[in-house]
Amino acid sequence: GAGVSQSPSNKVTEKGKDVELRCDPISGHTALYWYRQSLGQGLEFLIYFQGNSAPDKSGLPSDRFSAERTGGSVSTLTIQRTQQEDSAVYLCASSFGQRNSPLHFGNGTRLTVT
Amino acid sequence: AQSVTQPDIHITVSEGASLELRCNYSYGATPYLFWYVQSPGQGLQLLLKYFSGDTLVQGIKGFEAEFKRSQSSFNLRKPSVHWSDAAEYFCAVGATRSYNTDKLIFGTGTRLQVFP
Repeated sequence: GAGVSQSPSNKVTEKGKDVELRCDPISGHTALYWYRQSLGQGLEFLIYFQGNSAPDKSGLPSDRFSAERTGGSVSTLTIQRTQQEDSAVYLCASSFGQRNSPLHFGNGTRLTVT
Repeated sequence: AQSVTQPDIHITVSEGASLELRCNYSYGATPYLFWYVQSPGQGLQLLLKYFSGDTLVQGIKGFEAEFKRSQSSFNLRKPSVHWSDAAEYFCAVGATRSYNTDKLIFGTGTRLQVFP
């Protein structure tokens, strides 16, 4: 595809359930990012993958959050035992991983925890 | 640690008026700076970026921004706003520790409303 693809676009889940959010980056992009956008909170950095390097997980808010990137391409963000405060839009972005490479964002997954 | 402050949560301007959105950053080394725009129902789009060189950078849609090291600022400007500029604007800062991109830290955003 031409852009970053995220699925599902919307997800409603019950408190305590696990969810998986998927991101397909632009082909050839080596860097992949996950951000969370909550109302009034801006974009909160979650995790960053760059090539074969160990990911920067410094933004993950708790151990209920994890992410992996398989084969240097598709990434999955998993939230275990979801809580209502996890409700937000989860944005994925990718880039060529160089200093002058802009981030290309997907349209996000809107997660609602009831 | 890096941080970005956008002091204005919400700005309203009339169409045709000039615009300045404020951004202040905190970072010990030379930053690289970005402005992104998020239009309703759309993903974030890069407006412009600064890495080095000329401190006044031009972007898409007639926007420009000026890097002022002494003020730790990177304010976004447009001389004449169009109704289609109504959106949320995010300033972001990254590190220049290495050749590779580091994570970007975003501000909380400024929502721009344009009146006819």
